[in-house]
Amino acid sequence: DGGITQSPKYLFRKEGQNVTLSCEQNLNHDAMYWYRQDPGQGLRLIYYSQIVNDFQKGDIAEGYSVSREKKESFPLTVTSAQKNPTAFYLCASAEQGGNQPQHFGDGTRLSIL
Amino acid sequence: GENVEQHPSTLSVQEGDSAVIKCTYSDSASNYFPWYKQELGKRPQLIIDIRSNVGEKKDQRIAVTLNKTAKHFSLHITETQPEDSAVYFCAASILGNQFYFGTGTSLTVIP
Repeated sequence: DGGITQSPKYLFRKEGQNVTLSCEQNLNHDAMYWYRQDPGQGLRLIYYSQIVNDFQKGDIAEGYSVSREKKESFPLTVTSAQKNPTAFYLCASAEQGGNQPQHFGDGTRLSIL
Repeated sequence: GENVEQHPSTLSVQEGDSAVIKCTYSDSASNYFPWYKQELGKRPQLIIDIRSNVGEKKDQRIAVTLNKTAKHFSLHITETQPEDSAVYFCAASILGNQFYFGTGTSLTVIP
């Protein structure tokens, strides 16, 4: 969907380095999500946010951090504590109120140098 | 938490045949079940969804059925075409707060 923009498309991380993945949406959605996708696996939830200035951990939050200072932005930081960060990262948003479909960005592919 | 299982992991069909992908879920409180199609290197795209107050939903060649008692739901694609080749994911959510995804089915339609 054109309403969700992830950047960069490709990102390389050096040992001990933190990197931040950007996710911006202009769909006026309250809820935003970060997923990690590994080959042969489904999407695993890292963090999600239902409202500005609030977010919750998903199933694999260790080694990641997020912020939600603005409704349209939900950046994800992959910290040096994440020992296996190589993956495809997808950001999504959805309307609040329950049972609404998620809309995904094009993803960021993160690799280790 | 919720656990979603998806089968098969790979599926090959001849063009024009039907394809069926099945998912089961564990939490009876789940009440929203979307299906996504993901082409290689691209974003997942919603193709159909169903809510727990409905047993079946159809959109042209695609249909989804839901059995709440057995806690399983299925995607049916009829008259398959080569452009249907992709990875398909099912998901379940409770009030849309968290979405739990299956591990995906790689569908290949052989011309």
